[in-house]
Amino acid sequence: NAGVTQTPKFRVLKTGQSMTLLCAQDMNHEYMYWYRQDPGMGLRLIHYSVGEGTTAKGEVPDGYNVSRLKKQNFLLGLESAAPSQTSVYFCASSGGVRAYEQYFGPGTRLTVT
Amino acid sequence: GENVEQHPSTLSVQEGDSAVIKCTYSDSASNYFPWYKQELGKRPQLIIDIRSNVGEKKDQRIAVTLNKTAKHFSLHITETQPEDSAVYFCAGGATNKLIFGTGTLLAVQP
Repeated sequence: NAGVTQTPKFRVLKTGQSMTLLCAQDMNHEYMYWYRQDPGMGLRLIHYSVGEGTTAKGEVPDGYNVSRLKKQNFLLGLESAAPSQTSVYFCASSGGVRAYEQYFGPGTRLTVT
Repeated sequence: GENVEQHPSTLSVQEGDSAVIKCTYSDSASNYFPWYKQELGKRPQLIIDIRSNVGEKKDQRIAVTLNKTAKHFSLHITETQPEDSAVYFCAGGATNKLIFGTGTLLAVQP
């Protein structure tokens, strides 16, 4: 099993550009999450999903949109990137018998200039 | 709002000593408290977790204690080794929504 994968690994955007980050999991997990990690701030939840077709806002949802059209995929979109969105983005999933345990992807480093 | 505070932000110990990291949480509904280890440039990895119906859990050199009355929980690492050097994050939450602490950079000096 690949676990949780993220695409791309790195990206540089100019202010105002848009992009989509893809998260995929092969563990048949119901729940998926998007976090951002900034120095000294820990991990902050952007959006999450408790099942296919459902999404919900986390702590810092502004400027981001998400979609969960397939159970194994969770997409994070930035419609108009801003320098404040420069961060490392982690996707995670959880489910099954240990539904609380979150497994993280390798991260995407995004720089907005 | 919901908050998890973590202390200290940095911790330096000698190899073989013990390390303790402490967290407090604000949401009384929180019932799940995991600890993650993150090495530089890597993803966070779960090292131990505890549910609210348990006061203490141990896994080899790592232990976690939970005091629900005081709303705090701690990570204890005994006989530290250089490979324990990393950033450690606590988290607390209910169901599937976790709030993370700001992390502790642990440096184990050989």
